Amino acid sequence: EVRLVESGGGVVQPGGSLRLSCVASGFTFSKSWMHWVRQAPGKGLVWVSRVDDGGSSTTYADSVRGRFTISRDNAKNTLYLQMNSLRAEDTAIYYCASLSGGYWGQGTLVTVSS
Amino acid sequence: DIVMNQTPLSSPVTLGQPASISCRSSQSLVHSDGNTYLSWLQQRPGQPPRLLIYELSNRFSGVPDRFSGGGAGTYFTLRISRVEAEDLGVYYCMQSTQFPYTFGQGTKLEIK
Repeated sequence: EVRLVESGGGVVQPGGSLRLSCVASGFTFSKSWMHWVRQAPGKGLVWVSRVDDGGSSTTYADSVRGRFTISRDNAKNTLYLQMNSLRAEDTAIYYCASLSGGYWGQGTLVTVSS
Repeated sequence: DIVMNQTPLSSPVTLGQPASISCRSSQSLVHSDGNTYLSWLQQRPGQPPRLLIYELSNRFSGVPDRFSGGGAGTYFTLRISRVEAEDLGVYYCMQSTQFPYTFGQGTKLEIK
């Protein structure tokens, strides 16, 4: 059974930082591009970032470039998203996903508020 | 960025009847490798998205055959041959031909 389990969400003040993690199981994580997709409360889906299977190539949405860093540890089957300089508009559920594999986690909620 | 425009944004349907959702992209989604990276996802209330259709017309594992995807170039459709109660939710098209990947606004399928 494929599982993607996110953690690390919570409430943070504007300008603060959070690190999200996503532990994968049930598929060959080390051969899969991985993505973060977010969804603000009551809104649609927005692609945030991706990392290639080896972790050497990354891509970001303009809205997060320079503030967020995606990375992975294939030995631990874990995907990360380091989020710095957080803004109110970053408030959302953050999903990790293997989009090509069709696998999504349950998501972790990040709330940026003073 | 490629803009994905879905219509309608809300679709009242009768159980047992067909339903159709359209998605138009601002640019061709045909990749240089010849594939069209257009997917359809379903999101039930309180749930993460679920992949239904990938690469234009391929049903993902476990997806009922009442779901079908089609189209070409910049115009795409998701069809449900007979809507069942479990089909209610929000449907998104997504392009993964070019970064940044982009989604349509979502179409809410609800009972008439």
